[in-house]
Amino acid sequence: GQQVMQIPQYQHVQEGEDFTTYCNSSTTLSNIQWYKQRPGGHPVFLIQLVKSGEVKKQKRLTFQFGEAKKNSSLHITATQTTDVGTYFCADLVSGNTGKLIFGQGTTLQVKP
Amino acid sequence: SAVISQKPSRDICQRGTSLTIQCQVDSQVTMMFWYRQQPGQSLTLIATANQGSEATYESGFVIDKFPISRPNLTFSTLTVSNMSPEDSSIYLCSARGQADTQYFGPGTRLTVL
Repeated sequence: GQQVMQIPQYQHVQEGEDFTTYCNSSTTLSNIQWYKQRPGGHPVFLIQLVKSGEVKKQKRLTFQFGEAKKNSSLHITATQTTDVGTYFCADLVSGNTGKLIFGQGTTLQVKP
Repeated sequence: SAVISQKPSRDICQRGTSLTIQCQVDSQVTMMFWYRQQPGQSLTLIATANQGSEATYESGFVIDKFPISRPNLTFSTLTVSNMSPEDSSIYLCSARGQADTQYFGPGTRLTVL
């Protein structure tokens, strides 16, 4: 079945360092979405990537969709303590089901 | 965007009992979903709540254990039946937004003793 692999599982960084999480699939990803879940909170939508090779930026966050649409990444430049949380990628299941398949998530800890 | 509320926010229940979780959306939405999230884990889809028809369950989840209602386009309930400690988890509802994004409720933290 459709699976989305996400690495690393955990990342500890010093405030100001960069951070990257990767999302991979053995099959073509149709529509990658990224969500952030703060500790004790619920997932919140960040961005959606649809096109091959697409790059989108939100302030210090850069999202990329691979040329072959089999991988995606989220890069945070100069992390801040407010970036702490778990970042999930999710692939949209085809067929107008609206269903998302979530990756395992990467939990980011930022040391001040 | 949609604002979603869930009740209760948390509960502690005894083994063998059932708990019904309510999910309310502040606007009409076509699709609503129920997820389970173990602490420190990813989200696992339980089912899609269909308005006016039976829910569509994912592999490993059955209607007898997780009956779902969706009486209208803004409300859904999930019941966790005959609970055991293994059902202890966070249960999240979500609503389909624009371009197939999802808005999530705050979750219900369930502990089964």
